[in-house]
Amino acid sequence: ETGVTQSPTHLIKTRGQQVTLRCSSQSGHNTVSWYQQALGQGPQFIFQYYREEENGRGNFPPRFSGLQFPNYSSELNVNALELDDSALYLCASSLEARKGTGELFFGEGSRLTVL
Amino acid sequence: DQQVKQNSPSLSVQEGRISILNCDYTNSMFDYFLWYKKYPAEGPTFLISISSIKDKNEDGRFTVFLNKSAKHLSLHIVPSQPGDSAVYFCAASRRGTALIFGKGTTLSVSS
Repeated sequence: ETGVTQSPTHLIKTRGQQVTLRCSSQSGHNTVSWYQQALGQGPQFIFQYYREEENGRGNFPPRFSGLQFPNYSSELNVNALELDDSALYLCASSLEARKGTGELFFGEGSRLTVL
Repeated sequence: DQQVKQNSPSLSVQEGRISILNCDYTNSMFDYFLWYKKYPAEGPTFLISISSIKDKNEDGRFTVFLNKSAKHLSLHIVPSQPGDSAVYFCAASRRGTALIFGKGTTLSVSS
């Protein structure tokens, strides 16, 4: 059973550019959530996708957008990058059966640096 | 407005002793509380959880206690081992919605 995998692991962008981060969820998991972890902070919820539909969103502007594909993999897109977008972006998947518990399985994250 | 707070950024403990990590929350609607452990260059790993209808849950060396009246939970690790050195995040959810995380506590266990 493969776990949650994310790509790329590290990337550097300049202010104003756009970035796409990718995530393959754990086998059998149909819910994918994205979190942003800034330095010294806990992960902050960006949004969640369930069966290809957005199923909840945190306090992030519309330039943060996402997709979930039929195979339950997912993308996070960020437009018009700002310096404060520099962070570790974490993807997490969960089993529908465990949805009520909030239990998530995280990938290793994509470290984004905006210069 | 931080709904989940971990007021101790760090904790140092000797091997074999008890580690107690604390967490406070403000939202009485939370119904699940979880602890995650994070090593450098890895994603957070689920450790243990507790439902709001319980006050204690135990899994091996790890025990989580929930005090709903005080809106406080704690994670006890007994005995602590050097491999337990990591950042520990407290998290809470309401009806399976997004997890709300605290800022984390860095635990250092010395041998």
